Amino acid sequence: SQQGEEDPQALSIQEGENATMNCSYKTSINNLQWYRQNSGRGLVHLILIRSNEREKHSGRLRVTLDTSKKSSSLLITASRAADTASYFCATDAKDTGNQFYFGTGTSLTVIP
Amino acid sequence: GAVVSQHPSWVICKSGTSVKIECRSLDFQATTMFWYRQFPKQSLMLMATSNEGSKATYEQGVEKDKFLINHASLTLSTLTVTSAHPEDSSFYICSSEGPMNTEAFFGQGTRLTVV
Repeated sequence: SQQGEEDPQALSIQEGENATMNCSYKTSINNLQWYRQNSGRGLVHLILIRSNEREKHSGRLRVTLDTSKKSSSLLITASRAADTASYFCATDAKDTGNQFYFGTGTSLTVIP
Repeated sequence: GAVVSQHPSWVICKSGTSVKIECRSLDFQATTMFWYRQFPKQSLMLMATSNEGSKATYEQGVEKDKFLINHASLTLSTLTVTSAHPEDSSFYICSSEGPMNTEAFFGQGTRLTVV
């Protein structure tokens, strides 16, 4: 299976703290993307990082990519209660075009 | 960014009936679309790749006769769940390659409940 893994599976923090989620994958990739999903809802695209990039920022989000370790991390700084959601990483393997394989997801709870 | 519209957002059907889910690219042409399935509190699993004008490519373990995919135009792919059973109840999401063929854009998802 090309499905990646994320850890932790669940994370609970206080509002204002930083949240870090990790994603590992198995094959060489073109891009890695992070998505957010509120319970029972669709996916919201957060950030894309290309295989030749090592770090990317978007607002309170910081994503790193280590292709040698086949891993990525998503950091949410100064978390808010509204950040409570599940977060998934998705990779597209180099030889499969834009078929995305999702990690197992991290369920983040931010306590007000 | 590019927009992918999925319809319906929620459908309830009786066992044995068929349900069609539509996925449209609204402002770009999508030669390739993807269908995913998500069980509660689980990740998304790729079901199949839908190619405009040709047969879909199914992932291992996905029954092609049960999940019929049609991609008749550059802006529309449909997934039909045939002879639905309660175990088919799930969240189905489509995605499309964006105009630059790098990012993926997802539909809003369809929650299917089979009773």
